[in-house]
Amino acid sequence: AQSVTQLGSHVSVSEGALVLLRCNYSSSVPPYLFWYVQYPNQGLQLLLKYTSAATLVKGINGFEAEFKKSETSFHLTKPSAHMSDAAEYFCAVSTLYNQGGKLIFGQGTELSVKP
Amino acid sequence: DTAVSQTPKYLVTQMGNDKSIKCEQNLGHDTMYWYKQDSKKFLKIMFSYNNKELIINETVPNRFSPKSPDKAHLNLHINSLELGDSAVYFCASEPRGGGAYEQYFGPGTRLTVT
Repeated sequence: AQSVTQLGSHVSVSEGALVLLRCNYSSSVPPYLFWYVQYPNQGLQLLLKYTSAATLVKGINGFEAEFKKSETSFHLTKPSAHMSDAAEYFCAVSTLYNQGGKLIFGQGTELSVKP
Repeated sequence: DTAVSQTPKYLVTQMGNDKSIKCEQNLGHDTMYWYKQDSKKFLKIMFSYNNKELIINETVPNRFSPKSPDKAHLNLHINSLELGDSAVYFCASEPRGGGAYEQYFGPGTRLTVT
């Protein structure tokens, strides 16, 4: 069965600093992996996804993630944090389930950005 | 135009009542989902429908009954509401099943049961 673990329920960085949000997955088959962002009182928005093409995936708002099969990781990074990046971030793995891909989410990581 | 819309945005009700949440997507997608986000922000799938057909039912109590009148709509009816049903419920849609596509989420419905 697939699962996702996000290390650190809360990460705090200074504006301009590197953002690193960690995600490890467990999957018996090649996974599809996603990072979603949730701003306060809003729904989720896709940042980026890995679907077995390039291992380094670039997303919106300057975020990128690298798929490392040997480490079963899909960590999210951004070189320079901006105040507007403060939000909840979810890593998810998708299962092929009949005709619907079920998203299994990690526990979420709340990113705070200090001025 | 809002891609995935939900009504109502907030719902406050008493234990034992029956309530419904409606979801509509105007993206032409085949697959729709209901997710529950608890107070710790943990997200878990409840149901998925593909072209009006129930595909996934994740051991959700029978008090929850989804209905899809057409592939653009997926409603959630909850009977005999309990305190533990308090959560944010998200509807999502996906172009088609397969797991490789982006899911588009609605803004959520915050349900508070008192």
